[in-house]
Amino acid sequence: KQEVTQIPAALSVPEGENLVLNCSFTDSAIYNLQWFRQDPGKGLTSLLLIQSSQREQTSGRLNASLDKSSGRSTLYIAASQPGDSATYLCAGTSMDSSYKLIFGSGTRLLVRP
Amino acid sequence: EAQVTQNPRYLITVTGKKLTVTCSQNMNHEYMSWYRQDPGLGLRQIYYSMNVEVTDKGDVPEGYKVSRKEKRNFPLILESPSPNQTSLYFCASSRSNQPQHFGDGTRLSIL
Repeated sequence: KQEVTQIPAALSVPEGENLVLNCSFTDSAIYNLQWFRQDPGKGLTSLLLIQSSQREQTSGRLNASLDKSSGRSTLYIAASQPGDSATYLCAGTSMDSSYKLIFGSGTRLLVRP
Repeated sequence: EAQVTQNPRYLITVTGKKLTVTCSQNMNHEYMSWYRQDPGLGLRQIYYSMNVEVTDKGDVPEGYKVSRKEKRNFPLILESPSPNQTSLYFCASSRSNQPQHFGDGTRLSIL
């Protein structure tokens, strides 16, 4: 059964710093992995989706990687801004249940001006 | 604008009074699902639907019903709500192997 873990639970950085958020999963037979952002009182906004056949995806200042052999994914945020403050969630799907997202508990990010 | 719309956004009700949370998407997605989000437990899938008239249980289906009569709509029904169903609920939709899009959430309080 797929389990997803995110460390750290919370992170505070000064504006402009590059940072990495970590996500680990137990089942290497992962179908895809998706990174989301959640703002207080809001829904989830999809940031990046990495297919099982891919190693990374990029969108603007965001870069997500996937290493199935080690069971890890990372979300790299370059030149962080206060507007990046939010909770970041990673979620994976398995080969036998490709539509069910298994979520990590999230990393709460605060970017200080 | 492509979106997933949930209604209501907030609801306070009492135990046993049937309620329905609606979900509608305008992206012609085949797949739709419901999740609930609870402190310390994260997001968990309640029910999902692969297409019209095809639904199946997720990880926490007890106390909920769904239907998929039309492709765009996927309502969540609580026939006899109880306090342990107080939660933040999200509807999501997607195409095969594409990013899942989420609604803004429905905060339910059952007294």
